[in-house]
Amino acid sequence: DTEVTQTPKHLVMGMTNKKSLKCEQHMGHRAMYWYKQKAKKPPELMFVYSYEKLSINESVPSRFSPECPNSSLLNLHLHALQPEDSALYLCASSQDGFRAFFGQGTRLTVV
Amino acid sequence: RKEVEQDPGPFNVPEGATVAFNCTYSNSASQSFFWYRQDCRKEPKLLMSVYSSGNEDGRFTAQLNRASQYISLLIRDSKLSDSATYLCVVNTYGATNKLIFGTGTLLAVQP
Repeated sequence: DTEVTQTPKHLVMGMTNKKSLKCEQHMGHRAMYWYKQKAKKPPELMFVYSYEKLSINESVPSRFSPECPNSSLLNLHLHALQPEDSALYLCASSQDGFRAFFGQGTRLTVV
Repeated sequence: RKEVEQDPGPFNVPEGATVAFNCTYSNSASQSFFWYRQDCRKEPKLLMSVYSSGNEDGRFTAQLNRASQYISLLIRDSKLSDSATYLCVVNTYGATNKLIFGTGTLLAVQP
């Protein structure tokens, strides 16, 4: 099953809300990624988990909090976001050196 | 300077044309290379991996020059359906995995 599943597909949240984005893969990949993509821009790396440990945090504000409960799941917890955080959030997984598979993304709007 | 750079385009070409995209990367430790395609409001999808010996997949040819830290993609006989953003992706893995996107090149194939 070569698939990365992200939920929800769309999310509208207020600046005082707490929400979570979820990502799941069953390909046995040991690296999982969160990206943020604004319109007409390439995806920007936010976090990387390798073997369920956070290995890269690209200076992401603390209002974004990643979590990797097990090797198949990746969450992104959101709290006190700003309107400029509205974007497409993409999850991906890969195995060393090989292609990355992407989920369809969560389109987030902060109001 | 961004880690992975591309000419943003847009490239406007007629159907049947041959078009070439270039990409440069700054991290000499980078180990694997890919071209992804992204349609509007969709997730990136793998077009092809890029090998040092060069590789071809139908109308698409990819080349890698490690000495110059340069990657290219050639599309022959362009189709309307080739219209998309083409993203060069560079992977550095080992202790940590890091998958970095280039700035992307927009291709518009005109009838």
